[in-house]
Amino acid sequence: AQKVTQAQTEISVVEKEDVTLDCVYETRDTTYYLFWYKQPPSGELVFLIRRNSFDEQNEISGRYSWNFQKSTSSFNFTITASQVVDSAVYFCALGSSNTGKLIFGQGTTLQVKP
Amino acid sequence: NAGVTQTPKFRILKIGQSMTLQCTQDMNHNYMYWYRQDPGMGLKLIYYSVGAGITDKGEVPNGYNVSRSTTEDFPLRLELAAPSQTSVYFCASSSVENEQFFGPGTRLTVL
Repeated sequence: AQKVTQAQTEISVVEKEDVTLDCVYETRDTTYYLFWYKQPPSGELVFLIRRNSFDEQNEISGRYSWNFQKSTSSFNFTITASQVVDSAVYFCALGSSNTGKLIFGQGTTLQVKP
Repeated sequence: NAGVTQTPKFRILKIGQSMTLQCTQDMNHNYMYWYRQDPGMGLKLIYYSVGAGITDKGEVPNGYNVSRSTTEDFPLRLELAAPSQTSVYFCASSSVENEQFFGPGTRLTVL
């Protein structure tokens, strides 16, 4: 069975703190994709990153970085020097390489206080 | 490009009524999806399509139907609305290995 677990339901930090959002996945597929999406209070879904299962290289984009570890089936997301505008719900998702179907985690609500 | 568009944005239905949620994409994507998002939850797949004329069930298909007669359009039909179908509905499209582009969502309330 395929599953995505985001164990942190809510996280609250003060602006400028670093914060890591955890994501653990389960799949029997050898080829798959991992995603992070952001859902701000306005409700739309904003794509952040895609990773395929063969690419374990960590990635940094500005204040965002992602740590993909296949050995522990984890794909964690770190925001450095958080800002109030980072307040949102963040979803990790597992994608099928055949159909593109996404299995979403339940999301982590991040609140960044000024 | 408009991307993925959904209509309506909001709708209130009475129990037993039916309606169609419209979804259109202009990116020439073969793959399209319908998800629902219940309060405080992640998205769950209702139906998906890998091309015109081809559809398949997702995790939560009961109470819904879809059709895909063109590449651009992927309407979702609710035949007999029930309170359990109160949710936000998102349509998305993609090429299979790339990220899904989501529409703005339809907020549906069934009373």
